[in-house]
Amino acid sequence: QVRLQESGPGLVKPSETLSLTCSVSGGSISPHYWSWIRQPPGKGLEWIGYIYFSGKTKNNPFLRSRVTISADTSKNLFSLKLSSVTAADTAVYFCARHHSGYDAHFDYWGQGIPVSVSS
Amino acid sequence: QSVLTQPPSASGAPGQRVTVSCSGSYSNIGSNYVYWYQQFPGTAPQVLIYRDNQRPSGVPDRFSGSKSGTSASLAISGLRSEDEAAYYCAAWDDSLSAQVFGTGTEVSVL
Repeated sequence: QVRLQESGPGLVKPSETLSLTCSVSGGSISPHYWSWIRQPPGKGLEWIGYIYFSGKTKNNPFLRSRVTISADTSKNLFSLKLSSVTAADTAVYFCARHHSGYDAHFDYWGQGIPVSVSS
Repeated sequence: QSVLTQPPSASGAPGQRVTVSCSGSYSNIGSNYVYWYQQFPGTAPQVLIYRDNQRPSGVPDRFSGSKSGTSASLAISGLRSEDEAAYYCAAWDDSLSAQVFGTGTEVSVL
């Protein structure tokens, strides 16, 4: 059974960089696509971006310039960096696996990690 | 910036049929598969329907998906109390080159 676990600080100061890691167990990150998705309090889901195990990435155009997604195949994990955060970036952040291609559904999800942006 | 539009809420009595709509455009629903996710409070979403109308193993056949043009629907028949949750549609958008989600629908059982 594939398991995903998000980790990182739960509090980030405005203008700083949010950094999260998703550790994958029970399966390899190769050869899958992996995404970050977030959900602000009381609101809907927003896709942040994906990474393919080879390193290819695609980000949400509304966030593109602030998002960096990377992968470490040796450690079987992938990471998210979101720069210049504001209160609007406060959300629960999920990592998820694509079932097959980049446009496929997400078949495995992490439990989510709440991140608050506040001074 | 939800690109797919859903009604904020839907409800029905136990045993009834409830339908949730999802309206998009040619660049998303009109050109790509639609997915539906179910989310309970405090938990991660789980896929309910994939490729417009396919159910993953373990999902009851009370749940069904359909698509026509630039709109899609999720139907829940034989509504049960455990179906109370938020439901989100999703699809790839070719114009944005992004995965887009619906605004979400809270389903309640009266």
